[in-house]
Amino acid sequence: DVVMTQSPLSLPVALGQPASISCRSSQGLVYIDGNTYLNWFQQRPGQSPRRLIYQVSNRDSGVPDRFSGSGSGTDFTLKISRVEAEDVGVYYCMQGTHWPPYTFGQGTKLEIK
Amino acid sequence: QVQLQESGPGLVKPSQTLSLTCTVSGGSISSGSYYWSWIRQPAGKTLEWIGRMFTSGSTSYHPSFKSRVTMSADTSKNHFSLTLTSVTAADTAIYYCARVGSPPGAGMDVWGQGTTVTVSS
Repeated sequence: DVVMTQSPLSLPVALGQPASISCRSSQGLVYIDGNTYLNWFQQRPGQSPRRLIYQVSNRDSGVPDRFSGSGSGTDFTLKISRVEAEDVGVYYCMQGTHWPPYTFGQGTKLEIK
Repeated sequence: QVQLQESGPGLVKPSQTLSLTCTVSGGSISSGSYYWSWIRQPAGKTLEWIGRMFTSGSTSYHPSFKSRVTMSADTSKNHFSLTLTSVTAADTAIYYCARVGSPPGAGMDVWGQGTTVTVSS
C-alpha cells in the first residue's frame, strides 16, 4: 500500500496567519492517464470529512480561495493563506492513484493559537 | 443535491456480521459514472477506505478486508450496503458511506454523516 505521511501532526496557528501542511507519498502519484490523484479533506470537530482539493490543486465548489494545493511527484502541500476560526479541524491527504486501496495520511490537527 | 444517510445497528457482537445501508437522496445511484464507497474511522484515528462499488456490480475492496467484506446495491431502493463478517473489537469505528467523484482517483466528493458501530459482547 502507498503510505501517506503528513507533517506536522499538530498545527497551532494564530487567526489571520498562514498555515501549511505537508504530505509525502511513498510512491509517485502520477497515474497512467497523466493525472496526479492527490486530494485533501477537512474534518471539522464532530463532522464528516469534506473534500477541499482534488487532483493536487483543484478546489471543490464552495471552498474559500484562501485554501490552495500544490506539489508533484511525492511531495504535496496544502496552504491556508489566512486562518479563520472555522478552519479548526483535522486535515487529511489521500491518494487515489495506486488502488486498491485508496490511502489517507495520519491527519494534521489545526487549532487556533 | 445528493445526500447520503447511513443506517444499521450500533452494536454488534464479536464474531457476528455487521450490516450497514446507505440511502441516497437527491439523485439516482445508477445514473452517471459514480462509484459508491465505504470508509471507516476508529475513534481518534485516521480514515480507512474499505471498498467501492459500481451499480453494475463491479467492486473493489481493500485487501485487508477482502475475505470479510461484501458491497452490493439495490437500485429499486436507491441504496447500497456493506456487509462485514467475523467482526472483532478492532472493527469498532464510525462508518461513512460516500460517493466517489469523477474521475475515481479524485476521491469522495459527497459523504454521509456517519454511523457509529461498536463491537462488544
